[in-house]
Amino acid sequence: DADVTQTPRNRITKTGKRIMLECSQTKGHDRMYWYRQDPGLGLRLIYYSFDVKDINKGEISDGYSVSRQAQAKFSLSLESAIPNQTALYFCATRGATGTPSTDTQYFGPGTRLTVL
Amino acid sequence: RKEVEQDPGPFNVPEGATVAFNCTYSNSASQSFFWYRQDCRKEPKLLMSVYSSGNEDGRFTAQLNRASQYISLLIRDSKLSDSATYLCVAPQGGSQGNLIFGKGTKLSVKP
Repeated sequence: DADVTQTPRNRITKTGKRIMLECSQTKGHDRMYWYRQDPGLGLRLIYYSFDVKDINKGEISDGYSVSRQAQAKFSLSLESAIPNQTALYFCATRGATGTPSTDTQYFGPGTRLTVL
Repeated sequence: RKEVEQDPGPFNVPEGATVAFNCTYSNSASQSFFWYRQDCRKEPKLLMSVYSSGNEDGRFTAQLNRASQYISLLIRDSKLSDSATYLCVAPQGGSQGNLIFGKGTKLSVKP
């Protein structure tokens, strides 16, 4: 079974709709992240969380919100989707930094979102 | 200077070739670096970590030059299955230690 799962894997929606993307992990990591990836722009950080009570904005948080329901769950919401939010969205987890064996970031399989 | 910069490619090479990618980073205090591999429409996956001057794993060698602030990835005896996009990753400045991903270098290995 995958350590980091995302649902849904694909979603097509209309402008103005509310969308929630969910992420779950079984790695026991405290740190969780949401990224979007667009052609030519690479991975851009939307939000990140170091534990249930610690939520931080990334470089492109406008138009998004998040919820860390538990250590293992981190969801991303688009309150009113717009076409330029069409992208591939990745959730990721990471262990404690400074230790080579735990410093790696692990990604979920991605959610392909299309906003019409 | 952008935090992590890579040549986007594409690099088109024949099977068996040796190919090298370079990546520059701006945070001189960074200690750990990574190369990730991403197949089309898939998630990035860790290829190698680089914590000191370099790291070797089979056909793959990663080297770190702190003085010049660049990281390289060398792939020897390229296989068709090496075709992918390779992402250079470095820590962002600041106490939170978030990772910054380069935009990736695309490699296409041809028969």
